[in-house]
Amino acid sequence: EAGVAQSPRYKIIEKRQSVAFWCNPISGHATLYWYQQILGQGPKLLIQFQNNGVVDDSQLPKDRFSAERLKGVDSTLKIQPAKLEDSAVYLCASSLDLSSTEAFFGQGTRLTVV
Amino acid sequence: GENVEQHPSTLSVQEGDSAVIKCTYSDSASNYFPWYKQELGKGPQLIIDIRSNVGEKKDQRIAVTLNKTAKHFSLHITETQPEDSAVYFCAASINNAGNMLTFGGGTRLMVKP
Repeated sequence: EAGVAQSPRYKIIEKRQSVAFWCNPISGHATLYWYQQILGQGPKLLIQFQNNGVVDDSQLPKDRFSAERLKGVDSTLKIQPAKLEDSAVYLCASSLDLSSTEAFFGQGTRLTVV
Repeated sequence: GENVEQHPSTLSVQEGDSAVIKCTYSDSASNYFPWYKQELGKGPQLIIDIRSNVGEKKDQRIAVTLNKTAKHFSLHITETQPEDSAVYFCAASINNAGNMLTFGGGTRLMVKP
């Protein structure tokens, strides 16, 4: 079974530029999560989808961050404009549905904002 | 919202010794507590979990205990091996499932051969 795929693996941008991350969850998984993991900290949930609908985005900085999962499969997370404090690893995870206990994580995209 | 504190931030043990990592949570409504292991360059991977109606759970060399009254839970690894070296995260959720997780700050475990 293929795991959660994320791209790119690494990205370096200047502050005020925009960036987008892509995630392909495990086939058949209805629930998709985006987490932000700052160096030395635990992952922080940004947004959670169930199929193509947003379940929770209470911790997403909506003035600069946006995410979509239009067809209920792949998802993109965008930052525009980026700030220095956005430097982090962005992890995508998926689970079978909202009642599942195990979320499967991708390898993440490491973003450096300079 | 939920706040999860994790200690210690780093832990070094000799191969064969036991390792204990402790977490406390703030929201008494939390009812699901997973533990994740993250190796360098990889995403976190679930290793064991416990629900609030259970006090202890064991899976081979790892075990988790939960004290709901004190709002703390712990991960115990016995007979540690070098491949146990990684960063371990505790987490908590109020939804009795793996969604809406709040993670602790992580513990870097180093097992010396």
